[in-house]
Amino acid sequence: GAGVSQSPRYKVTKRGQDVALRCDPISGHVSLYWYRQALGQGPEFLTYFNYEAQQDKSGLPNDRFSAERPEGSISTLTIQRTEQRDSAMYRCASSFAQGAEQFFGPGTRLTVL
Amino acid sequence: AQSVTQLGSHVSVSEGALVLLRCNYSSSVPPYLFWYVQYPNQGLQLLLKYTSAATLVKGINGFEAEFKKSETSFHLTKPSAHMSDAAEYFCAAYSGNTPLVFGKGTRLSVIA
Repeated sequence: GAGVSQSPRYKVTKRGQDVALRCDPISGHVSLYWYRQALGQGPEFLTYFNYEAQQDKSGLPNDRFSAERPEGSISTLTIQRTEQRDSAMYRCASSFAQGAEQFFGPGTRLTVL
Repeated sequence: AQSVTQLGSHVSVSEGALVLLRCNYSSSVPPYLFWYVQYPNQGLQLLLKYTSAATLVKGINGFEAEFKKSETSFHLTKPSAHMSDAAEYFCAAYSGNTPLVFGKGTRLSVIA
């Protein structure tokens, strides 16, 4: 596609519910990254993929967070049993190769009530 | 671990004045360095990047940044601010296989 897209753009959920956030990277981009950005902070790394392989998930805060990219294109970040502290902007980025310039999507604003 | 420090969470300048946004990195090995801009309700857009070539890097919209190893700095400048420059700016660093590390951001306001 023309750019990185994310859906939904806004998600409001109740505490305890599961949510799935979707990222559609630029076509042909090998690497895909997930970040979380709290209000007043810079993006913080969560995890990244090269093709379908998850290379680093050291930034995932706990085991309620998981991500997949089964066909090396679209990726889903899943948060189980959401908590209020999970409220943040979740950003996805892709690059044509690891270490190359990352192109960011518009983000998904998650609010957990 | 790599860290990035941006001095000043909010900078305010008059239209036409010099813009200076500060960024310092922590790594003893000079990393790749980036400046991103974020406009409201939009994704992060790359302004410029340093990848160990020229120390003075020119980016889009008239911005430039100078890499100074002795000061571990990569400050962003623009000679003359425009109203459309009002946004949030993030400095980021990347070293080899480490994740991209961002600073906390600096919000730039431009006063008419």
